Amino acid sequence: EAGVTQFPSHSVIEKGQTVTLRCDPISGHDNLYWYRRVMGKEIKFLLHFVKESKQDESGMPNNRFLAERTGGTYSTLKVQPAELEDSGVYFCASSQDDGLKYEQYFGPGTRLTVT
Amino acid sequence: RKEVEQDPGPFNVPEGATVAFNCTYSNSASQSFFWYRQDCRKEPKLLMSVYSSGNEDGRFTAQLNRASQYISLLIRDSKLSDSATYLCVATMDSNYQLIWGAGTKLIIKP
Repeated sequence: EAGVTQFPSHSVIEKGQTVTLRCDPISGHDNLYWYRRVMGKEIKFLLHFVKESKQDESGMPNNRFLAERTGGTYSTLKVQPAELEDSGVYFCASSQDDGLKYEQYFGPGTRLTVT
Repeated sequence: RKEVEQDPGPFNVPEGATVAFNCTYSNSASQSFFWYRQDCRKEPKLLMSVYSSGNEDGRFTAQLNRASQYISLLIRDSKLSDSATYLCVATMDSNYQLIWGAGTKLIIKP
């Protein structure tokens, strides 16, 4: 069974540019999450989709970040315009529902560098 | 104060030794707890859940002490392949968020 995949693996952009990250969850997983790890800090929750609906977006840092999951399959996270402090590793995770909801399987991450 | 705190280490341990990590959490309403393992520049992977009664998976034992709000992970007969960062995670029943510690780095030396 294929795991969670993310694209791109690395992205280097200049301040003010736009970047779109993509996540493909494990097939059949309704729950999809975005997390971020800024260098030297702990991993932080960004948001949670159930199918195509945003269930919890309390971790989104500001309105420069836009996440979508049209059709309830893959998800995109757009940062526009990017700022220096957005640099970090963006992880996507997915899980089944109910009793296994906390068994979240992570993708390899997208390493974003804003210069 | 961080919600989940861990000693960052590194813990330098000889192969075959037993090593233990602790993690504390600040929110007494936290419900579920997990240990994740993360290798350098890789994604975190679920190692084991932590139950109130304690649980064991091979060489790994996890314990939860709700009264003192701490979680422990014990690794027996450590292997070189156990070298990694171990991340403590707490959750609330009100949402699906994983609340992460910053991780404890373990280095097993031959």
